Amino acid sequence: AQTVTQSQPEMSVQEAETVTLSCTYDTSESDYYLFWYKQPPSRQMILVIRQEAYKQQNATENRFSVNFQKAAKSFSLKISDSQLGDAAMYFCAYRSPGNTPLVFGKGTRLSVIA
Amino acid sequence: EAGVAQSPRYKIIEKRQSVAFWCNPISGHATLYWYQQILGQGPKLLIQFQNNGVVDDSQLPKDRFSAERLKGVDSTLKIQPAKLEDSAVYLCASSLRSPTKAFFGQGTRLTVV
Repeated sequence: AQTVTQSQPEMSVQEAETVTLSCTYDTSESDYYLFWYKQPPSRQMILVIRQEAYKQQNATENRFSVNFQKAAKSFSLKISDSQLGDAAMYFCAYRSPGNTPLVFGKGTRLSVIA
Repeated sequence: EAGVAQSPRYKIIEKRQSVAFWCNPISGHATLYWYQQILGQGPKLLIQFQNNGVVDDSQLPKDRFSAERLKGVDSTLKIQPAKLEDSAVYLCASSLRSPTKAFFGQGTRLTVV
C-alpha cells in the first residue's frame, strides 16, 4: 500500500517570503499522480497543484511550484511571495492510475506572519 | 458550476445514537468518495462509489457504518450506533470516471459526546 509522509506538523513564514513544505511517499508503482491540497478553516479541500509522475518537468501554478524528485520519492511544495490567505493546512496526496482514491499525508499547518 | 454539497455542516450526538450525512456530487460525476478526517490527521477513505456500485469499502467499519448511493447521484453515510472515536469531519468528494482531480465538499463535523 502507498503511504505519504509529511514530516513538518507546523511551519511559519513571513508575508512576502518563500516557504517550502516537504512530502515523501512510498510506492512500488511507476505511474501515479501527486497533489498538494489546501484546507482552510472552512474545511473544504482545495487543489493547489498536481504532478504526473511521468512528467519530468516540475509543475507550477502562479506562486506555487513543486520540486518532484521521483527517484528519491520526494514532492515538496514551494510557496513564493507568501500571502496572509495562504495560511491553512496543506496536505500532500498520492493517487494511483485509474479511478482510485487519494491517499493523504497528515498535513502541515502553515502560518503566515504579517 | 455548482460544487459538491454536503449537509449538515455540524452535528452533535450522544454515543450510541445514530446519525446520517448527505452528499450531492457535481452533476455528471460518476465517482463519489466518503473520507473520514480525524482531528490532526489527513483524510482517510471510507468508501468509493462508481455510479451506484461500491468500488472500495475495505476501510469502512461495516458493523456500524453504512453508505448508499441510490440512482448513482446523491449519497448518504450513516453511523449506527455512534462511538466517541467517530468524532471527525466527514468529507465527500466526486470526480469524473477516470480523472486526476477530485472536488471536495465542505464536510460535516461530527462530535460524539
